[in-house]
Amino acid sequence: RKEVEQDPGPFNVPEGATVAFNCTYSNSASQSFFWYRQDCRKEPKLLMSVYSSGNEDGRFTAQLNRASQYISLLIRDSKLSDSATYLCVVNMRYKLSFGAGTTVTVRA
Amino acid sequence: GAGVSQSPSNKVTEKGKDVELRCDPISGHTALYWYRQSLGQGLEFLIYFQGNSAPDKSGLPSDRFSAERTGGSVSTLTIQRTQQEDSAVYLCASSTGLAGPWETQYFGPGTRLLVL
Repeated sequence: RKEVEQDPGPFNVPEGATVAFNCTYSNSASQSFFWYRQDCRKEPKLLMSVYSSGNEDGRFTAQLNRASQYISLLIRDSKLSDSATYLCVVNMRYKLSFGAGTTVTVRA
Repeated sequence: GAGVSQSPSNKVTEKGKDVELRCDPISGHTALYWYRQSLGQGLEFLIYFQGNSAPDKSGLPSDRFSAERTGGSVSTLTIQRTQQEDSAVYLCASSTGLAGPWETQYFGPGTRLLVL
């Protein structure tokens, strides 16, 4: 079983739409949680950390459910520039475990 | 400031040859990581260096892979007797090493390795 599983998508949405997707992780002892963004043929970059209380950064909202080992990301008012692959990332001490990514395409 | 840099950006080699991949972390970062991203796969942890501590090599897929970090800064990942399944993007990341599990890892642009 993979440590982090994500719906690969793709999610193809119009500008202005809301899109949400999630991932699950297998190790209940995981310590920290993140969403990274990866553009085509580029390196991953941190989008946001995901805290137990849930957190918001502008149009992006992340939720963590430790009991269900489930992490979600919601993007409101999608922009063309949000088109990317979103990587669910779980940290055990210093080792990051990555999901395979969810591809989002925002169309005009 | 300068981010993580990696060289070469692309490498094509023949099966059986050795390759060396280089990573220059962000200045002052004590923690350095290597990951591998194969086509259609998630990133896979390879090795972790933290200061002068012994590296965590638990992610290296075989004894053909090795890495070193000289002077606590630059790191080299070496793959001996390359195989076609070694073809992937090799990503290096660094972090301050001070902020525990919530600290951000900053990634370099990667080296795309193709083994023919």
